[in-house]
Amino acid sequence: DAGVIQSPRHEVTEMGQEVTLRCKPISGHNSLFWYRQTMMRGLELLIYFNNNVPIDDSGMPEDRFSAKMPNASFSTLKIQPSEPRDSAVYFCASTRQSNTEAFFGQGTRLTVV
Amino acid sequence: QKEVEQDPGPLSVPEGAIVSLNCTYSNSAFQYFMWYRQYSRKGPELLMYTYSSGNKEDGRFTAQVDKSSKYISLFIRDSQPSDSATYLCAMSGVAGGTSYGKLTFGQGTILTVHP
Repeated sequence: DAGVIQSPRHEVTEMGQEVTLRCKPISGHNSLFWYRQTMMRGLELLIYFNNNVPIDDSGMPEDRFSAKMPNASFSTLKIQPSEPRDSAVYFCASTRQSNTEAFFGQGTRLTVV
Repeated sequence: QKEVEQDPGPLSVPEGAIVSLNCTYSNSAFQYFMWYRQYSRKGPELLMYTYSSGNKEDGRFTAQVDKSSKYISLFIRDSQPSDSATYLCAMSGVAGGTSYGKLTFGQGTILTVHP
């Protein structure tokens, strides 16, 4: 099992550009979570899906952020337009419905200049 | 006030020392309590979890939960340089299958164990 796979690992973009982060959850996991980690705020949940359906997006900071899960093996987090304050490490995690452990990907380090 | 408070440290101890890491929380709905370890430039990985109050031991690691005080602890015995990492407490309030990953994290404590 390859674990949760995120791409890209690093992204540097200019302010105003669109950024798309990608995640492939562990096969058989039906819950997927997007987290953001910064020095100031720590790890914060942005949105999570269950069986490809968004359940709670209350952590999404602004309308500039959107997330989709078109199928059980793929999810995207999009920021449009990006701003310097979006610079952070974005993590994707997945779980089985009946399991307490959330498996995290390696993260995408986003820098907006 | 944050729902989960954790001293970010940093904490530096000599090899072999006993390490105590702690978190306090304010939300009485939390039922699942976890400790994650995060190495530099990596994603968090689950170290231990406990349900409700009590102790749980796994090798050199012991997790304690005191719901009456809203206080959780992680103890590391005979600490090793390989234990150097950021330790994050995390909590979940949903006793059901759909939201185990919906976690509220502490800020994380940076631990360094020097030889």
